[in-house]
Amino acid sequence: RKEVEQDPGPFNVPEGATVAFNCTYSNSASQSFFWYRQDCRKEPKLLMSVYSSGNEDGRFTAQLNRASQYISLLIRDSKLSDSATYLCVVNKRGGGADGLTFGKGTHLIIQP
Amino acid sequence: GAVVSQHPSWVICKSGTSVKIECRSLDFQATTMFWYRQFPKQSLMLMATSNEGSKATYEQGVEKDKFLINHASLTLSTLTVTSAHPEDSSFYICSAPSIERGYEQYFGPGTRLTVT
Repeated sequence: RKEVEQDPGPFNVPEGATVAFNCTYSNSASQSFFWYRQDCRKEPKLLMSVYSSGNEDGRFTAQLNRASQYISLLIRDSKLSDSATYLCVVNKRGGGADGLTFGKGTHLIIQP
Repeated sequence: GAVVSQHPSWVICKSGTSVKIECRSLDFQATTMFWYRQFPKQSLMLMATSNEGSKATYEQGVEKDKFLINHASLTLSTLTVTSAHPEDSSFYICSAPSIERGYEQYFGPGTRLTVT
């Protein structure tokens, strides 16, 4: 089983729609969870951390289910600028300054 | 947010030569930095953890004699790809966690290495 598994897509979504991504992770020792965004040939940028209680940042909502080892991201009112690859990320060993395990990413294309 | 730089941003080298990539945290100190590699259409893979004042720790399958890491100061880590081969061509990215910002990791812009 892959450490972090995501549907690679692509997801083709009309502007203004709501889109949801999911991922699963295999390492039960992971303590920190994130969604990153990566544009083509660029470094990943943190979109948001994910907490068990769920958290929201503007149009973005993230959820974590530790029992199922499942993480989700919801994007509402999608914009053209949301087109990117979304990476589900967990920390490797549960420490503070810890390396990260990345999923392969889900490619999102917002269409006008 | 915090800033991490990498140099060079891209490099082309001949097979058998060595290439050094620098990673700097510009406005914070980092006792730990991480080196990742990303092949086309693949996920970023952690290669090694760079530790200031001690040896780097390498992930399984990463050759420590091929990928030399030196954490020279609290703001600088270098990765040297020795005796590069075409299969080492990849996107190399470093990151540094900021303790002041709850260990949030800041990524450098990456170095695209092409070995001919």
